[in-house]
Amino acid sequence: QKEVEQDPGPLSVPEGAIVSLNCTYSNSAFQYFMWYRQYSRKGPELLMYTYSSGNKEDGRFTAQVDKSSKYISLFIRDSQPSDSATYLCAMRIPGANNLFFGTGTRLTVIP
Amino acid sequence: IAGITQAPTSQILAAGRRMTLRCTQDMRHNAMYWYRQDLGLGLRLIHYSNTAGTTGKGEVPDGYSVSRANTDDFPLTLASAVPSQTSVYFCASSDLLFPDTQYFGPGTRLTVL
Repeated sequence: QKEVEQDPGPLSVPEGAIVSLNCTYSNSAFQYFMWYRQYSRKGPELLMYTYSSGNKEDGRFTAQVDKSSKYISLFIRDSQPSDSATYLCAMRIPGANNLFFGTGTRLTVIP
Repeated sequence: IAGITQAPTSQILAAGRRMTLRCTQDMRHNAMYWYRQDLGLGLRLIHYSNTAGTTGKGEVPDGYSVSRANTDDFPLTLASAVPSQTSVYFCASSDLLFPDTQYFGPGTRLTVL
């Protein structure tokens, strides 16, 4: 079992829909959580990070962390075709600088 | 140069051959990383370096070696390539104080036959 589990999708939604992307993890030592976005044939880029349980909002994106359930989510409101990409969750243990990534969820937003 | 560059962009390699993937950054980041990305397995850390002159093993280091002679360059070497090393390889860098913000290169697509 991988330490970080993520549904690979693919996920296809119409433009304007609310998208929910999720990851679960097994290691309670993970305390720092990130979402990276990767466009086709490109390297990943950081979208958001959050270090505490609860919600963190940035424009149309909201990151949610539930440490008690070992579950994190990324919500995208008013999804746009430009949001079509693979979204990877990542996590880190305090004191280490290694990130553990989920396998990624491929999202397509249809105009 | 802006950010991270990787070379080559893609390569087809015969099994048993030696190959070095190049990575250069111009952001003066202390930390650099090599990942491989495979379908169904995601990004996995191969090796990392927190500062010039030091390196460490990641999740999947076997069959790979790295060196960090200076801040900007972090080459990854496959001493004797095997087909299971067919993958997309990404180099990344970060400020050591902000390891969650990693900047990735465009990747090298490697096929070992």
